[in-house]
Amino acid sequence: DTAVSQTPKYLVTQMGNDKSIKCEQNLGHDTMYWYKQDSKKFLKIMFSYNNKELIINETVPNRFSPKSPDKAHLNLHINSLELGDSAVYFCASSQDLPWTSGGQETQYFGPGTRLLVL
Amino acid sequence: DQQVKQNSPSLSVQEGRISILNCDYTNSMFDYFLWYKKYPAEGPTFLISISSIKDKNEDGRFTVFLNKSAKHLSLHIVPSQPGDSAVYFCAATISGNNDMRFGAGTRLTVKP
Repeated sequence: DTAVSQTPKYLVTQMGNDKSIKCEQNLGHDTMYWYKQDSKKFLKIMFSYNNKELIINETVPNRFSPKSPDKAHLNLHINSLELGDSAVYFCASSQDLPWTSGGQETQYFGPGTRLLVL
Repeated sequence: DQQVKQNSPSLSVQEGRISILNCDYTNSMFDYFLWYKKYPAEGPTFLISISSIKDKNEDGRFTVFLNKSAKHLSLHIVPSQPGDSAVYFCAATISGNNDMRFGAGTRLTVKP
């Protein structure tokens, strides 16, 4: 019973297509995130949702849109895919925001979705 | 603009010895720091964190040291075990900013 799951694990698609990556957490956490790990291995936060409210948008193109149907899910929709979107995308969740004391800030990551745009 | 830097892409140590992973940051506004460990084909796993009001935090074999004046933090693993072999990411955030910056990671190899 995986805590944070992502589907699909691999995604190969053509430029210009629209695709979605799904994320689900069964930890009862209030906050979920999307990260992008680029070719240089830098992890960059893209979005976070706290209680179904978007609280960060890290200067990502508006082709990327997070959708949260409920507290346990945060899906990532990408329109008009470009070559530079090829990366590994990680979903994560935490009980509270990163700097909260008391150990609530631990982020649990999904296994990642490897996106390749051709 | 990489505000969090891990200048050593790799580190190799002998089992039982100390592993020291370093991280530097440029933004003096960062006040909370975290270390994550990542195995291949898996997501990062939280290891340990430290607030800027402290200069040391310890959890079992893992200790994080923070030197605010030098804008430097380090993760010490003692004793190192082969299972510690992974990529370690340093991350920093500003309380209330909802942002987090990661370093590029250091690949630690612990040899039996």
